[in-house]
Amino acid sequence: KAGVTQTPRYLIKTRGQQVTLSCSPISGHRSVSWYQQTPGQGLQFLFEYFSETQRNKGNFPGRFSGRQFSNSRSEMNVSTLELGDSALYLCASSPRLAGGVNYNEQFFGPGTRLTVL
Amino acid sequence: GEDVEQSLFLSVREGDSSVINCTYTDSSSTYLYWYKQEPGAGLQLLTYIFSNMDMKQDQRLTVLLNKKDKHLSLRIADTQTGDSAIYFCAESHYNAGNNRKLIWGLGTSLAVNP
Repeated sequence: KAGVTQTPRYLIKTRGQQVTLSCSPISGHRSVSWYQQTPGQGLQFLFEYFSETQRNKGNFPGRFSGRQFSNSRSEMNVSTLELGDSALYLCASSPRLAGGVNYNEQFFGPGTRLTVL
Repeated sequence: GEDVEQSLFLSVREGDSSVINCTYTDSSSTYLYWYKQEPGAGLQLLTYIFSNMDMKQDQRLTVLLNKKDKHLSLRIADTQTGDSAIYFCAESHYNAGNNRKLIWGLGTSLAVNP
């Protein structure tokens, strides 16, 4: 089975622009979660989508949004980019709702490294 | 509050045991996790422990949980150079709407010297 794939792997944007990141989950997985990883803040949960609906969200401003398609692929959008948005964005897929009980079925992709200049 | 703390660096010699420590604050945590991150790779779940257990062993990995002190440790026996990576401790924490989310430590960078 192919793993979780994320595109693009690297991205450079300037302040004020917007960006869309893509995540393709493992075949058969219906949940996609997004995380932001920075050296200072570590890993922070953004949101989780399951069956095309946002089921769980972290404490990020409305500039961060996402969606999930009927084939379970997910996109994350950040509008009006700020310097502090520079980070590694990780997505993870699982067959069931990850935020339900146990995360042991959740698998991570390699991430998209976003640099905001 | 929700907080997970771990030391940032650990250096060991090849063949020695490594012990990575983590403390957390949420007494309602049900599961605690250890992840490994290698450069250019995503996070890999190494092992996890349910909060009513105090120890779990999986080949070279031993997890110890002291629920009273909210202290979690990961011991890697016979550490190899391939174990060099960043290790993250995480706990599942109740979020709004009765969902859970993972709260992460900042990661411990393990360097294994030959």
